[in-house]
Amino acid sequence: DSGVTQTPKHLITATGQRVTLRCSPRSGDLSVYWYQQSLDQGLQFLIQYYNGEERAKGNILERFSAQQFPDLHSELNLSSLELGDSALYFCASSVSGKTNTEAFFGQGTRLTVV
Amino acid sequence: AQTVTQSQPEMSVQEAETVTLSCTYDTSESNYYLFWYKQPPSRQMILVIRQEAYKQQNATENRFSVNFQKAAKSFSLKISDSQLGDTAMYFCAFMKRNSNYQLIWGAGTKLIIKP
Repeated sequence: DSGVTQTPKHLITATGQRVTLRCSPRSGDLSVYWYQQSLDQGLQFLIQYYNGEERAKGNILERFSAQQFPDLHSELNLSSLELGDSALYFCASSVSGKTNTEAFFGQGTRLTVV
Repeated sequence: AQTVTQSQPEMSVQEAETVTLSCTYDTSESNYYLFWYKQPPSRQMILVIRQEAYKQQNATENRFSVNFQKAAKSFSLKISDSQLGDTAMYFCAFMKRNSNYQLIWGAGTKLIIKP
């Protein structure tokens, strides 16, 4: 167990809908990262938050947004869902945003858009 | 732009054998990190080993070791005395130094350890 908790584990929703994925980082970790793993695109970095502020943005669609709350948990909001958004969404956390620290991954949320 | 290539979609070996997974990457950066992650059927992404590009010495973690050839931009993973629990997808990943874990991932290699 990495200590990073993602909920829900599975989510099935219809096209056009909006969903929220939740991530609780390891205790003491200030940085949260979101990744998408899809059959078409493979694994890609979406976005990073550090202590409540956005730090880095990757290949995140405009229909997607994220935030990190004062208690350091993070949410990834996906709206106007399309079939191609079906993927495994990972959250990872690390103590700081520095790359000499290890990032620990959650077990992911499997999103299926039908 | 950086790219990571894993040319072996799937490999299988007998338990206790040694297996090497290949990874090549392309970058113009001089300071970066390379990783091997394991993703078992449980979906958990687990760090296997990490290499810092400025370190000449190849990283080792118990049965796992890497062959890092910086000039050739090659980063292979050797698993010795393979075990059934090593069955998983293995991903090679690249990260520029100070890039906030903006990992660039390979497509993965499915490794099957047969009893």
